[in-house]
Formats: sequence, structure tokens, C-alpha cells
Amino acid sequence: GAGVSQSPSNKVTEKGKDVELRCDPISGHTALYWYRQSLGQGLEFLIYFQGNSAPDKSGLPSDRFSAERTGGSVSTLTIQRTQQEDSAVYLCASSFSGSFQYEQYFGPGTRLTVT
Amino acid sequence: QKEVEQNSGPLSVPEGAIASLNCTYSDRGSQSFFWYRQYSGKSPELIMSIYSNGDKEDGRFTAQLNKASQYVSLLIRDSQPSDSATYLCALSRSGGSNYKLTFGKGTLLTVNP
Repeated sequence: GAGVSQSPSNKVTEKGKDVELRCDPISGHTALYWYRQSLGQGLEFLIYFQGNSAPDKSGLPSDRFSAERTGGSVSTLTIQRTQQEDSAVYLCASSFSGSFQYEQYFGPGTRLTVT
Repeated sequence: QKEVEQNSGPLSVPEGAIASLNCTYSDRGSQSFFWYRQYSGKSPELIMSIYSNGDKEDGRFTAQLNKASQYVSLLIRDSQPSDSATYLCALSRSGGSNYKLTFGKGTLLTVNP
């Protein structure tokens, strides 16, 4: 079946602009995650959604970052007033449910470049 | 000590050899362990998951877990040039946020024809 999809694949924006990144999880997966991969930093957790539960936003680096998930499916990560340090690959993953037992599958990512 | 440690490499092996990738972790309560393969410019692809001590085999891949020694390894038999990639070790820690994956920085593997 179809995997996790993300759009856009690449985004170049000017410092100070807002950006929206979209993620469509695997059909039937109730858990959705956003991670960020920066050069030399590795993959870091940003936010987690599970069904209709309150999201775990503990990994968001600043209040310029927000995310929502509509109808338990598609998610949007928004970065306001982008800064150069926001440049990274933003990866979305989904799993059957939100537990250590369930494997997470990643989408192709959105490469964000802030100029 | 870092939460998840991997030798950054590069690890270079000849085609047909066994590649051995290692990962150590600091949280004794870690519950699940995953190996992801990441080709340059691509996203991580899940190869193996392992939850209990011992070996788990899938084709040319074997994951090994030793919770007492806090290490997990990945063996790739009959290595192929197409196996050349960065291999990421990830784990879910104990506690209420066990859905979060913590990643190592990866080991770059090069398989030489």
C-alpha cells in the first residue's frame, strides 16, 4: 500500500516568512510523528499525535513551531517567522498505534532551506 | 554518556563480507530497538526491530540485543554495494513517552565491489 507522503519535497523560504509542511500518514495508522534531521545533529523528535488524544509537543524547539492534525489523518507542521537555524529535513512518520511495540515508518521528508 | 552511541565510521567492507554495526545505549529501561537504513539524500527506511534479548534474523540481516550489556548490533551477511548507506540505531525508552524514538547519529557503511 501507499507509504507516508509529505509535501513539498523541498521548500526554500526567506528568513522571517512562515512555512507549512504537510504529512499524510499510512492509511490505518493512528499515530503520527514529526522529527527533524539537521546536519550533524541527528534525528530529533518534535511532536506526536495519537488519535484524538492531546499531542505531545515536548520536542518543539520554540513557540514559532506548531502542528495540527485534522480528522485523525493529515498533519500540518507550521513554522512562523523562520530563522536560518530552522533549515533541516523535516520527517514525518506514522505507526499503527502509539506504543513502543509499533514500528514507525518515515515519509520522504521536506527539505527546508531558510535564506 | 550519550543516550545512543554509534561509531560514525566509515566502516568499509569488501563485497561478500559480513558487516557488523554496533550501538550502545545508556537507559537500562529501553524497551524496543530499531535499525534504519538511510541512503544519502533519502529518508530512513526501517530494516529490523528487536524487542527481546537474543538474535533476530531476516534474510541477510541479523539483529542482536543484549540488554544486560546495553548493546544492540546489526550484522549484514554477504554485503552488497547496494548496502552502502548510513545505518541508524534507534530505541524507545522506558516511561510514559515510550513512543518517542531516540536515534544515534548513525554509522556510514561502504561496501567495496
